[in-house]
Amino acid sequence: AQKITQTQPGMFVQEKEAVTLDCTYDTSDQSYGLFWYKQPSSGEMIFLIYQGSYDEQNATEGRYSLNFQKARKSANLVISASQLGDSAMYFCAMREENTGGFKTIFGAGTRLFVKA
Amino acid sequence: DTAVSQTPKYLVTQMGNDKSIKCEQNLGHDTMYWYKQDSKKFLKIMFSYNNKELIINETVPNRFSPKSPDKAHLNLHINSLELGDSAVYFCASSRSWKGTSTDTQYFGPGTRLTVL
Repeated sequence: AQKITQTQPGMFVQEKEAVTLDCTYDTSDQSYGLFWYKQPSSGEMIFLIYQGSYDEQNATEGRYSLNFQKARKSANLVISASQLGDSAMYFCAMREENTGGFKTIFGAGTRLFVKA
Repeated sequence: DTAVSQTPKYLVTQMGNDKSIKCEQNLGHDTMYWYKQDSKKFLKIMFSYNNKELIINETVPNRFSPKSPDKAHLNLHINSLELGDSAVYFCASSRSWKGTSTDTQYFGPGTRLTVL
């Protein structure tokens, strides 16, 4: 079973508009972390934002916010005021406790295209 | 002042050859990782080392042998390269592999391996 599901293989958004990238996860742990990473065409993986399972407030980092709905097991990324430079692959990831430690599992990614 | 660096950035080689990829981090982190990203952009953990000790080995063929001479370095040696080994290999590091789930992983720029 998929632990991290990103149902949107590709998304288009008009420049300056907001966009939501979906992510649902599956875990039976109480303590876990949720992350979003950006991978531009240049290939590097850039950390964007983190949400802890016990955090009551949604995480925000500049134009990025994480819409965390624990009961629904969703951790959607919201990018406000999209810019052309936001065109990239976006990966949702979950860090949960594994045998003896923590392991991070990545979703399949969503490719975002920002139109001028 | 690069946080996580990898060399080489590109590696093109023939089937059957042996090659190595080097990784270094200057973040003072205890834990380092190797990930493989396939042609469909799926990112999967291969190995995790904490302070030079192997923590996670994710059913990777034993042709892949990681080596950590110290906690700032994690190298990946691949013997008898196969066509299916073609991928982008990412090194990452985090403060710790155990404890809180808040531990963010920081990635190197990736090494694109092409096996002909």
